[in-house]
Amino acid sequence: DIVMTQSPDSLAVSLGETATINCKSSQTILFNSNNKNYLGWYQQKPGQPPKLLIYWASTRESGVPDRFSGSGSGTDFTLTISSLQAEDVAVYYCQQYHTFPRNTFGQGTKLEIK
Amino acid sequence: QLQLQESGPGLVKPSETLSLTCTVSGGSISSSPYYWGWIRQPPGKGLEWIGTIYYTGTTFYNPSLKSRVTISVDTSKNEFSLKLTSVTAADTAVYYCARPLSDGHINWGQGTLVTVSS
Repeated sequence: DIVMTQSPDSLAVSLGETATINCKSSQTILFNSNNKNYLGWYQQKPGQPPKLLIYWASTRESGVPDRFSGSGSGTDFTLTISSLQAEDVAVYYCQQYHTFPRNTFGQGTKLEIK
Repeated sequence: QLQLQESGPGLVKPSETLSLTCTVSGGSISSSPYYWGWIRQPPGKGLEWIGTIYYTGTTFYNPSLKSRVTISVDTSKNEFSLKLTSVTAADTAVYYCARPLSDGHINWGQGTLVTVSS
């Protein structure tokens, strides 16, 4: 199975600043046939199931603020949260679905306010 | 609107079998090309994919749990189930049933906490 590794495990960022979370896959999750990276980003707040923010590595889900953006290709990906707001405090997970329906998640990154 | 609801015991004794059911409403479990799955999250820890089933009964399991997991589907009741045998405290978690899609979207149940304790 593909192993997803996130970094850092936790970070603290000041309000209004930019948070950057990285995700690395143990093998490529880019399908050459359609040039799509099978990578999603989820946000989870306490007591709730995760919420999809980004899919296809860079496509923002409907209703997600544009301060959330995803980038990367192949094995290395980044979630960037600009102009950090208090409501962005959460745990963030990357998920690969290249091996759908045997998906795997990263270990999570806890984002706090400095 | 699709809804998924987990049900089952909240407390299971060590070495026994954990059994959960997910009832699907607002859509047919037999609809192609949908898969149905289970994901768990130990308290304070990350998400772990347990396994996935197609309505025909084809299953895909996490290799780390494969020897203990069975996922089945009952199309007549529009539900699917999880059985995890020989549980230990390490299996204490919130268990989510889910419908994953091939574009990365996942429809989630609200989750149910299962505690393994004597």
